[in-house]
Amino acid sequence: EVQLVESGGGLVKPGGSLRLSCVASGFTFTSYSMNWVRQAPGKGLEWVSSISSSSSYIFYADSVRGRFTISRDNAKNSLFLQMNSLRVEDTAVYYCARVTSTVETPVEVDIWGQGTMVTVSS
Amino acid sequence: QSVLTQPPSASGTPGQRVTISCSGSSSNIGSNNVYWYQQLPGTAPKLVIYTNNQRPSGVPDRFSGSKSGTSASLAISGLRSEDEADYYCAAWDDSLSGGVFGGGTKLTVL
Repeated sequence: EVQLVESGGGLVKPGGSLRLSCVASGFTFTSYSMNWVRQAPGKGLEWVSSISSSSSYIFYADSVRGRFTISRDNAKNSLFLQMNSLRVEDTAVYYCARVTSTVETPVEVDIWGQGTMVTVSS
Repeated sequence: QSVLTQPPSASGTPGQRVTISCSGSSSNIGSNNVYWYQQLPGTAPKLVIYTNNQRPSGVPDRFSGSKSGTSASLAISGLRSEDEADYYCAAWDDSLSGGVFGGGTKLTVL
């Protein structure tokens, strides 16, 4: 079964850090770009970051650039999101997602994880 | 304020046809493909239209997509109660070098 399982969410104070992980199974992880997409409580979807299969292409939303770092470990079928200098407005469910569009325009996602909740509050 | 503009709500009765619009600009819809996602309450999104008008396997042919210039639309015909969900359009934006979503449209089946 094709599956993405996120972990690492939790409660953190403003200015703090958190590292999200996503483990993939059931498909050849090294063949796909991967995305992080988030959804604040009661709000819409927001694309956060993308990384190509070999990590050659990396993109960030303006809202997180300079604070978040996306990475992957293909040997462990894992995707990561290091989040630093967290703000209250980063509070959201963070989804790990498999990309099926081109490496230059990674918007098409066919598989989503269940999401992990990140709450930034004092 | 989302880069792509969708109406916040839409509604229809069972069997009707409803259309959801998505308006963008030359840097996103005007130059890249559009995708549509359905999100049922409490669940992760699901792709229902890719590359403007293509349906993934398993998505009923009641769902169709179109694109013209800097706008796109999702049409659902033969509306069913299980279609009640939030729908999001998405595209790549060349100016932002990032993905952009519409604000979402809540579809209610009356």
